[in-house]
This record gives sequence, C-alpha cells and structure tokens, in this order.
Amino acid sequence: GAVVSQHPSRVICKSGTSVKIECRSLDFQATTMFWYRQFPKQSLMLMATSNEGSKATYEQGVEKDKFLINHASLTLSTLTVTSAHPEDSSFYICSASRQGARNTEAFFGQGTRLTVV
Amino acid sequence: GENVEQHPSTLSVQEGDSAVIKCTYSDSASNYFPWYKQELGKRPQLIIDIRSNVGEKRDQRIAVTLNKTAKHFSLHITETQPEDSAVYFCAANRNSGNTPLVFGKGTRLSVIA
Repeated sequence: GAVVSQHPSRVICKSGTSVKIECRSLDFQATTMFWYRQFPKQSLMLMATSNEGSKATYEQGVEKDKFLINHASLTLSTLTVTSAHPEDSSFYICSASRQGARNTEAFFGQGTRLTVV
Repeated sequence: GENVEQHPSTLSVQEGDSAVIKCTYSDSASNYFPWYKQELGKRPQLIIDIRSNVGEKRDQRIAVTLNKTAKHFSLHITETQPEDSAVYFCAANRNSGNTPLVFGKGTRLSVIA
C-alpha cells in the first residue's frame, strides 16, 4: 500500500518555542493532506485540511496563526506549532489519499508525540 | 457536516467469543466507511472498509455490515484473540481523497484469555 511518512515521531520542546512536523507521501502525489490531533484516550479530531499550493482550511476552534500549515509540494505538508504550551501536548497525525484512484483509502503517518514542558 | 457516533466505548469479551461494535452516521452523502485498529502510540491501521454499494463485507474473522437506510454500520470480530485487544475506530466520508474522514470516538476492546 501507499506510504505516508511523518517526522519526527517524538519531540519534547520548551514552552514558548515552535515545533515543525513533516508529513510526506513517499510513493504518490497528494494534493490534499489532513492533520489530526489525538489527546490521550480520545479519538482523532480533524484540525485542518492542507491543500497544495493554497491556504489550509482550519476546523472551528483551531487557531490558524498557532498551527501553521504549509503544503508547498505534492508530497510534503508541514505543521508548525508556534509558541507551544503544555496544553498543546498531544499526538499529531497526518493522512493522505492517493489522488485519482478508485480506492481512496486514507494512509496515515506514524504520528508525532509532542510534549511541551 | 458529518457526525459519527460509536458504541460501546469499552468492550470486554472472553477469548473465542465475538465482538460487535456499532456506528451511526448523519450525512446521507457519505459512502465510504472504514474501520481502523489503533494500538497504543501507533498510527491507525485500516482493517476493513465498505462502500455504500454493498451491504456486507468479510475478511476472515472480520466483517462489516452497512445499513444505508438506517445510516448505521457495524464491525463484527469472531473468534476473538488476545491480540485483537486495541482501540477500534469507525469513520465515514464521501468517497473522495479531498474529503477528510470523520471518526467515531473509539471502542477499547479487551479480549480476556
């Protein structure tokens, strides 16, 4: 199956700093990628839709100035958590689907465990 | 937008018994319904999916049924094994790579040996 790679898998940062998470589709092009956040023992909640070459679409309640998304190529989307605070500690995970195929299975990255201290 | 409800939130079964997890969805335009298994700290893994043009799909011990009229779909795991213990999520979307999946809240399945 298609592969989506996410990096880093774990990151610990100090409060007030910024963290960048990368999501790459390794063997297919993805004009659209999705960023989810998962708090402990909870479900995956959509944060934003990343669109190649245009602005991301954010879900209600997600601050676009805090969670910067860049989708500069058909295989890479980045999520930058700016001025991170302890409440931003969570599991962030991206997904993408192969474009133009009948099977639109979503492929997930490995996820990034962010801990803000 | 789509809203997916999932029940139960926790489920314990004896090894060898069957487990059933149920989901309902709200958007009648949704036509793709995957089920994911997620182990602690790992990415969700697709275990089975169904599209709205069929009512049932089976893959060995796992089956999914879909009732479009009632807008609900269910996951059935037979002959459960301890390694089936995990969190299971249902999801729904329109069959398009540009549409995000909407997830249920998850079911923590424990299979007791």
